[in-house]
Amino acid sequence: AQSVTQPDIHITVSEGASLELRCNYSYGATPYLFWYVQSPGQGLQLLLKYFSGDTLVQGIKGFEAEFKRSQSSFNLRKPSVHWSDAAEYFCAVGSPASGGGADGLTFGKGTHLIIQP
Amino acid sequence: GAGVSQTPSNKVTEKGKYVELRCDPISGHTALYWYRQSLGQGPEFLIYFQGTGAADDSGLPNDRFFAVRPEGSVSTLKIQRTERGDSAVYLCASSPDGASGANVLTFGAGSRLTVL
Repeated sequence: AQSVTQPDIHITVSEGASLELRCNYSYGATPYLFWYVQSPGQGLQLLLKYFSGDTLVQGIKGFEAEFKRSQSSFNLRKPSVHWSDAAEYFCAVGSPASGGGADGLTFGKGTHLIIQP
Repeated sequence: GAGVSQTPSNKVTEKGKYVELRCDPISGHTALYWYRQSLGQGPEFLIYFQGTGAADDSGLPNDRFFAVRPEGSVSTLKIQRTERGDSAVYLCASSPDGASGANVLTFGAGSRLTVL
């Protein structure tokens, strides 16, 4: 079964500084990879996704992520964070062999991003 | 509708009571998913519908939990004899077609259930 590890429970970054959130996955082949963001009282919003091709993917709100097969990682980055980026960030892995169900999408436990003024 | 709508947004109930949580997916989306998110955790899969049928209900924790989608659109998650451990945010998501892992799920804002 697939799994996702987000090693950092909390990260504090100063406004304007760069950001990197770590994500490692376990899957037998190349998975589909996603980053979602959840603001308080809001649903999960998709930031970006990787299915195949270019390993550096661009998303919304200035975020990008890089798929590194050798490290089984899909880290999320942003060059300069804004106070509005404070939220919970979830990495997720999906199975190309299965559309839905228990194998469809597995989430990490999330990283809580705090922005210091 | 334009997005996934979940009602109620908040539900407080007493231990042992029955609750229903409703999800109205994006119009035309055939796949519908229920996830449960406990405090400090990521969403955990409960059940997945393809059309009217439950294609995978392996995530339901026990037989107190049940979900239906009788007409292939709106879904209701039903919890009998609620326990304090059922307290969580219940998330619903839909996608155009669950047959492909490349489908992106669109999530609702969730229903926060508190069992006293």
